[in-house]
Amino acid sequence: KAGVTQTPRYLIKTRGQQVTLSCSPISGHRSVSWYQQTPGQGLQFLFEYFSETQRNKGNFPGRFSGRQFSNSRSEMNVSTLELGDSALYLCASRRGREYEQYFGPGTRLTVT
Amino acid sequence: SQQGEEDPQALSIQEGENATMNCSYKTSINNLQWYRQNSGRGLVHLILIRSNEREKHSGRLRVTLDTSKKSSSLLITASRAADTASYFCATDESNYQLIWGAGTKLIIKP
Repeated sequence: KAGVTQTPRYLIKTRGQQVTLSCSPISGHRSVSWYQQTPGQGLQFLFEYFSETQRNKGNFPGRFSGRQFSNSRSEMNVSTLELGDSALYLCASRRGREYEQYFGPGTRLTVT
Repeated sequence: SQQGEEDPQALSIQEGENATMNCSYKTSINNLQWYRQNSGRGLVHLILIRSNEREKHSGRLRVTLDTSKKSSSLLITASRAADTASYFCATDESNYQLIWGAGTKLIIKP
């Protein structure tokens, strides 16, 4: 079974621009979560989608948004990029609640 | 918000020794999960222990959960160089959102 895939793997953007990251979950997994990981802050939860509905949302500004498609693939968008948005963005899928998460390799975003 | 807090923040031991990491949390949980992250394999799930379980094993890994103390421990026996990684605990809260600790950095010296 193929793992969680994320594209692109690396991205360099300029402050003020916007970016869209993509995640394809493991086949059969309907839950997709997004996390931001920075050296000082660990993993910070962004949001979780299940069957195209946002189920949970973390404490991030409205510049961070996401969506999930009918095939469970998910995208997250960050608008008006700031230097502090530089981080590793991880996507994870799971079969459902009370199950473990499977992570993709992440997208390394650098904002200059 | 950060629920799980790992202790210690960093741990350096000799190959072959056992490593113990602890995780404390604040609210009631459905389950607690341990993950490992290294540069080669990314973030990988190790063990999930449910709130009604007290101990779980997987190979050289042993996890305990004490819900009365709101704490968990991860024991790695007979450590190997490949165990060098950061270890995270994540608590699955009542709304099934995973909350992560800052991690324990484990270094295995040859």
